[in-house]
Amino acid sequence: AQTVTQSQPEMSVQEAETVTLSCTYDTSESDYYLFWYKQPPSRQMILVIRQEAYKQQNATENRFSVNFQKAAKSFSLKISDSQLGDAAMYFCAYRSANRDDKIIFGKGTRLHILP
Amino acid sequence: GAVVSQHPSRVICKSGTSVKIECRSLDFQATTMFWYRQFPKQSLMLMATSNEGSKATYEQGVEKDKFLINHASLTLSTLTVTSAHPEDSSFYICSASRAGGVTGELFFGEGSRLTVL
Repeated sequence: AQTVTQSQPEMSVQEAETVTLSCTYDTSESDYYLFWYKQPPSRQMILVIRQEAYKQQNATENRFSVNFQKAAKSFSLKISDSQLGDAAMYFCAYRSANRDDKIIFGKGTRLHILP
Repeated sequence: GAVVSQHPSRVICKSGTSVKIECRSLDFQATTMFWYRQFPKQSLMLMATSNEGSKATYEQGVEKDKFLINHASLTLSTLTVTSAHPEDSSFYICSASRAGGVTGELFFGEGSRLTVL
């Protein structure tokens, strides 16, 4: 069975600084997707960034980028120039590329932005 | 973008009554919908997977007679909490997989907070 592990329950970063959230996963599959979702106090799940396992190039979305290490099964999220609006719960997630399979979430990392 | 609407966003009911939560994909067809439960400060726990026109698949430990899921069309899935009790109070979130989608992304509803008195 696939698992997703986030080892940092909480993290803090100074505004405008850079922070990296860690995520590791376990799977025997070769084709899958990885995601980082943000859940602000409103509790709406917001997709931050996604990565297809077959792509070697790390995904980037503006201030958000990932370090995808497929062999190590690691998928960290880097947030540059942190802003107050980045404060939220961040979930790392795995989804098999098999059609309509479920998403498996990590336990989450709560990110605090210090003004 | 793909929009998933969940209704109601908040519901308060008396113990012993049943509550229905709707999850609609507004601008796409959803072959599969997923229902999650989230306790305070915890992650999302998958309850069940529903496919249009077939019975839902429940995760281990989830009572299928307590949490009835119906996926009657490609745009609507409902979760009914039957004979609700205070321990069923929680935040429930649905998500939908777009038919023919190639990105693997799931689209989430806004969530429904259930409080059972």
